[in-house]
Amino acid sequence: RKEVEQDPGPFNVPEGATVAFNCTYSNSASQSFFWYRQDCRKEPKLLMSVYSSGNEDGRFTAQLNRASQYISLLIRDSKLSDSATYLCAVLNYGGSQGNLIFGKGTKLSVKP
Amino acid sequence: DGGITQSPKYLFRKEGQNVTLSCEQNLNHDAMYWYRQDPGQGLRLIYYSQIVNDFQKGDIAEGYSVSREKKESFPLTVTSAQKNPTAFYLCASTTGPASYEQYFGPGTRLTVT
Repeated sequence: RKEVEQDPGPFNVPEGATVAFNCTYSNSASQSFFWYRQDCRKEPKLLMSVYSSGNEDGRFTAQLNRASQYISLLIRDSKLSDSATYLCAVLNYGGSQGNLIFGKGTKLSVKP
Repeated sequence: DGGITQSPKYLFRKEGQNVTLSCEQNLNHDAMYWYRQDPGQGLRLIYYSQIVNDFQKGDIAEGYSVSREKKESFPLTVTSAQKNPTAFYLCASTTGPASYEQYFGPGTRLTVT
Protein backbone atom coordinates (compact mmCIF):
# COMPACT_ATOMS: atom_id res chain seq x y z
CA ARG A 1 0.00 0.00 0.00
CA LYS A 2 1.37 3.40 -0.97
CA GLU A 3 1.91 5.90 1.82
CA VAL A 4 -0.64 8.41 0.54
CA GLU A 5 -3.16 7.57 -2.15
CA GLN A 6 -5.68 9.69 -3.99
CA ASP A 7 -8.14 9.02 -6.77
CA PRO A 8 -6.55 10.85 -9.72
CA GLY A 9 -9.90 11.73 -11.27
CA PRO A 10 -10.69 13.80 -13.19
CA PHE A 11 -13.88 14.68 -11.38
CA ASN A 12 -16.08 16.56 -13.83
CA VAL A 13 -18.95 18.32 -12.05
CA PRO A 14 -21.44 21.06 -12.92
CA GLU A 15 -21.38 24.40 -11.17
CA GLY A 16 -23.21 24.29 -7.88
CA ALA A 17 -22.55 20.60 -7.29
CA THR A 18 -21.11 19.11 -4.14
CA VAL A 19 -18.01 17.00 -4.64
CA ALA A 20 -15.90 14.97 -2.25
CA PHE A 21 -12.37 13.59 -2.53
CA ASN A 22 -10.79 10.95 -0.37
CA CYS A 23 -7.17 10.46 0.56
CA THR A 24 -5.96 7.29 2.28
CA TYR A 25 -2.75 7.01 4.26
CA SER A 26 -0.81 3.98 5.44
CA ASN A 27 0.92 5.22 8.60
CA SER A 28 -1.50 4.94 11.50
CA ALA A 29 0.75 7.18 13.62
CA SER A 30 0.27 10.18 11.33
CA GLN A 31 -0.99 13.19 13.27
CA SER A 32 -1.36 16.07 10.86
CA PHE A 33 -2.95 16.31 7.47
CA PHE A 34 -3.19 18.99 4.83
CA TRP A 35 -5.07 19.77 1.65
CA TYR A 36 -3.36 21.85 -1.01
CA ARG A 37 -4.78 23.29 -4.20
CA GLN A 38 -2.56 23.36 -7.29
CA ASP A 39 -3.49 25.19 -10.46
CA CYS A 40 -2.00 24.10 -13.76
CA ARG A 41 1.75 24.82 -13.90
CA LYS A 42 1.64 26.69 -10.58
CA GLU A 43 2.82 25.96 -7.08
CA PRO A 44 0.60 24.23 -4.49
CA LYS A 45 -1.23 26.55 -2.14
CA LEU A 46 -2.32 25.47 1.32
CA LEU A 47 -6.08 25.09 1.47
CA MET A 48 -6.73 23.49 4.84
CA SER A 49 -4.93 21.91 7.76
CA VAL A 50 -6.48 19.05 9.73
CA TYR A 51 -5.12 18.32 13.18
CA SER A 52 -8.11 16.74 14.89
CA SER A 53 -11.36 15.36 13.54
CA GLY A 54 -11.92 17.98 10.90
CA ASN A 55 -11.92 21.56 9.75
CA GLU A 56 -14.35 23.82 7.92
CA ASP A 57 -13.73 26.99 5.94
CA GLY A 58 -16.67 28.38 4.02
CA ARG A 59 -17.62 25.94 1.28
CA PHE A 60 -14.75 23.59 2.13
CA THR A 61 -14.87 20.90 4.79
CA ALA A 62 -12.11 18.46 5.62
CA GLN A 63 -12.80 15.39 7.76
CA LEU A 64 -10.45 12.88 9.30
CA ASN A 65 -11.32 9.24 9.88
CA ARG A 66 -8.48 7.75 11.91
CA ALA A 67 -10.07 4.31 12.18
CA SER A 68 -10.17 3.90 8.42
CA GLN A 69 -7.09 6.06 7.84
CA TYR A 70 -8.46 8.53 5.38
CA ILE A 71 -9.18 12.20 5.12
CA SER A 72 -11.78 13.72 2.88
CA LEU A 73 -12.31 17.11 1.31
CA LEU A 74 -15.86 18.24 0.61
CA ILE A 75 -16.54 21.20 -1.65
CA ARG A 76 -20.09 22.55 -1.62
CA ASP A 77 -21.65 24.80 -4.25
CA SER A 78 -18.75 24.29 -6.69
CA LYS A 79 -17.53 27.32 -8.61
CA LEU A 80 -15.75 27.40 -11.96
CA SER A 81 -12.76 28.79 -10.08
CA ASP A 82 -12.53 25.62 -7.98
CA SER A 83 -11.16 23.79 -11.02
CA ALA A 84 -7.69 22.64 -10.00
CA THR A 85 -5.77 19.65 -8.72
CA TYR A 86 -6.17 18.96 -5.01
CA LEU A 87 -3.19 17.43 -3.23
CA CYS A 88 -3.39 15.61 0.05
CA ALA A 89 -0.34 15.69 2.36
CA VAL A 90 0.30 13.64 5.48
CA LEU A 91 2.88 14.40 8.14
CA ASN A 92 5.10 11.42 8.92
CA TYR A 93 7.71 11.42 11.63
CA GLY A 94 11.12 9.87 11.21
CA GLY A 95 13.22 10.13 14.35
CA SER A 96 12.89 13.68 15.67
CA GLN A 97 11.81 15.21 12.41
CA GLY A 98 8.66 15.10 10.39
CA ASN A 99 8.18 15.48 6.70
CA LEU A 100 5.14 15.78 4.49
CA ILE A 101 4.26 12.93 2.17
CA PHE A 102 2.14 14.07 -0.77
CA GLY A 103 -0.41 12.21 -2.79
CA LYS A 104 -0.45 12.53 -6.56
CA GLY A 105 -3.51 14.73 -6.49
CA THR A 106 -7.12 14.64 -7.64
CA LYS A 107 -8.08 16.76 -10.61
CA LEU A 108 -11.36 18.66 -10.41
CA SER A 109 -13.03 20.28 -13.40
CA VAL A 110 -16.14 22.37 -12.73
CA LYS A 111 -18.22 22.99 -15.84
CA PRO A 112 -20.81 25.73 -16.45
CA ASP B 1 5.74 41.58 0.85
CA GLY B 2 6.77 38.41 2.63
CA GLY B 3 7.17 35.29 0.62
CA ILE B 4 9.30 32.74 -1.12
CA THR B 5 10.96 33.53 -4.41
CA GLN B 6 12.48 31.15 -6.89
CA SER B 7 14.45 32.07 -9.93
CA PRO B 8 14.44 31.69 -12.77
CA LYS B 9 10.92 30.59 -13.66
CA TYR B 10 12.13 28.65 -16.70
CA LEU B 11 15.61 27.23 -17.19
CA PHE B 12 17.09 25.40 -20.12
CA ARG B 13 20.36 23.49 -19.99
CA LYS B 14 22.35 21.06 -22.03
CA GLU B 15 22.94 17.58 -20.73
CA GLY B 16 26.13 17.30 -18.71
CA GLN B 17 25.94 20.79 -17.21
CA ASN B 18 25.38 21.52 -13.56
CA VAL B 19 22.71 24.09 -12.81
CA THR B 20 21.79 25.91 -9.60
CA LEU B 21 18.24 26.88 -8.72
CA SER B 22 17.67 29.76 -6.36
CA CYS B 23 15.27 29.83 -3.41
CA GLU B 24 14.97 32.81 -1.09
CA GLN B 25 12.48 33.52 1.70
CA ASN B 26 11.90 36.55 3.90
CA LEU B 27 9.37 34.87 6.19
CA ASN B 28 11.96 34.19 8.88
CA HIS B 29 11.17 30.49 8.52
CA ASP B 30 13.63 28.01 9.96
CA ALA B 31 12.95 25.02 7.73
CA MET B 32 13.25 24.89 3.97
CA TYR B 33 12.57 22.11 1.49
CA TRP B 34 13.16 21.18 -2.13
CA TYR B 35 10.69 19.04 -4.04
CA ARG B 36 10.53 17.74 -7.54
CA GLN B 37 7.25 17.25 -9.42
CA ASP B 38 6.90 15.29 -12.64
CA PRO B 39 3.76 15.38 -14.83
CA GLY B 40 0.86 13.61 -13.15
CA GLN B 41 2.96 12.89 -10.09
CA GLY B 42 3.01 14.02 -6.52
CA LEU B 43 5.79 16.01 -4.93
CA ARG B 44 8.93 14.10 -4.03
CA LEU B 45 11.31 15.42 -1.41
CA ILE B 46 14.88 16.02 -2.55
CA TYR B 47 16.55 17.76 0.42
CA TYR B 48 15.47 19.68 3.47
CA SER B 49 17.09 21.88 6.05
CA GLN B 50 15.79 22.57 9.56
CA ILE B 51 18.47 25.10 10.52
CA VAL B 52 21.36 27.01 9.00
CA ASN B 53 24.42 24.93 8.10
CA ASP B 54 22.48 21.69 8.38
CA PHE B 55 20.52 19.73 5.78
CA GLN B 56 19.24 16.22 5.25
CA LYS B 57 18.63 14.02 2.24
CA GLY B 58 15.07 13.38 1.22
CA ASP B 59 13.73 10.48 -0.80
CA ILE B 60 15.44 11.29 -4.09
CA ALA B 61 18.67 13.14 -3.22
CA GLU B 62 20.94 11.37 -5.72
CA GLY B 63 22.30 13.76 -8.32
CA TYR B 64 21.43 16.87 -6.28
CA SER B 65 23.29 19.01 -3.76
CA VAL B 66 22.28 21.89 -1.50
CA SER B 67 23.74 24.42 0.91
CA ARG B 68 22.24 26.44 3.74
CA GLU B 69 24.70 29.18 4.60
CA LYS B 70 21.99 31.73 5.39
CA LYS B 71 18.56 31.33 6.92
CA GLU B 72 16.96 33.06 3.95
CA SER B 73 18.56 31.02 1.20
CA PHE B 74 18.53 27.35 0.19
CA PRO B 75 19.94 26.88 -3.32
CA LEU B 76 19.67 23.54 -5.10
CA THR B 77 22.27 22.32 -7.58
CA VAL B 78 21.19 19.78 -10.15
CA THR B 79 24.34 17.96 -11.15
CA SER B 80 25.17 16.05 -14.29
CA ALA B 81 24.80 12.88 -12.24
CA GLN B 82 21.02 13.34 -12.10
CA LYS B 83 19.69 11.00 -14.77
CA ASN B 84 16.34 12.64 -15.46
CA PRO B 85 16.67 16.29 -14.40
CA THR B 86 13.81 17.72 -16.49
CA ALA B 87 11.06 18.53 -13.98
CA PHE B 88 9.23 21.23 -12.04
CA TYR B 89 11.24 22.14 -8.94
CA LEU B 90 9.47 23.60 -5.92
CA CYS B 91 10.96 25.16 -2.84
CA ALA B 92 8.98 25.41 0.38
CA SER B 93 9.47 26.71 3.88
CA THR B 94 7.85 26.42 7.27
CA THR B 95 8.41 27.80 10.72
CA GLY B 96 9.69 24.41 11.83
CA PRO B 97 8.63 21.67 14.26
CA ALA B 98 5.89 23.85 15.72
CA SER B 99 4.11 23.95 12.40
CA TYR B 100 4.32 21.76 9.37
CA GLU B 101 2.24 24.00 7.17
CA GLN B 102 4.52 24.38 4.20
CA TYR B 103 4.35 27.36 1.89
CA PHE B 104 5.70 27.09 -1.61
CA GLY B 105 7.59 29.33 -3.97
CA PRO B 106 6.39 29.70 -7.58
CA GLY B 107 8.72 26.97 -8.83
CA THR B 108 11.37 26.61 -11.50
CA ARG B 109 10.66 24.56 -14.59
CA LEU B 110 13.94 22.97 -15.69
CA THR B 111 14.39 21.45 -19.12
CA VAL B 112 17.58 19.57 -19.94
CA THR B 113 18.21 18.48 -23.52
